[in-house]
Amino acid sequence: DMKVTQMPRYLIKRMGENVLLECGQDMSHETMYWYRQDPGLGLQLIYISYDVDSNSEGDIPKGYRVSRKKREHFSLILDSAKTNQTSVYFCAAGTGVAEQFFGPGTRLTVL
Amino acid sequence: SQWGEENLQALSIQEGEDVTMNCSYKTYTTVVHWYRQDSGRGPALIILIRSNEREKRSGRLRATLDTSSQSSSLSITAAQCEDTAVYFCATAPSSFSKLVFGQGTSLSVVP
Repeated sequence: DMKVTQMPRYLIKRMGENVLLECGQDMSHETMYWYRQDPGLGLQLIYISYDVDSNSEGDIPKGYRVSRKKREHFSLILDSAKTNQTSVYFCAAGTGVAEQFFGPGTRLTVL
Repeated sequence: SQWGEENLQALSIQEGEDVTMNCSYKTYTTVVHWYRQDSGRGPALIILIRSNEREKRSGRLRATLDTSSQSSSLSITAAQCEDTAVYFCATAPSSFSKLVFGQGTSLSVVP
């Protein structure tokens, strides 16, 4: 069974703290994604990674950075988190415009 | 924005009824994805319809695509309580891995 995992599932941080969200896949997909989901706004693309150390900004990259050192792992980093970064974050893996496989999400609260 | 008319809706129907959800988009797409998201989980692909297809079926699900009007629909026949979820359409304005998600339709099926 193809799987995308995310850790942690829930996280509470204070404004100004650093945040690390981790994503893993067992399907060897080249392309991985980070999205955030807010009520009424659907899924917004933060970053795309086309392979190891080959990352591109999505539609809302400001305040985020990513790291991909192995094909199966993709990290999202928030340096000095802000309250408006409170959201649910989803990682996905896929190829081209074929199916994207999503992880279960991380619910981040920044106080 | 990729999207035309408002795609976010909340629908409530009774078990056994048929329901159709619509998605309209502004720019060319090579494919339309329909995803289902259960509460607390990540989206999961339920139907993918390509630009050269007019209709695609999967069990009780039927997706249509009209490229001339730039719209797609997802129909569920004889809805069941377990069909309760948020349904998203997503388009691919280019062929390079990026999907653009609509805001979704929240479907509630009650006994």
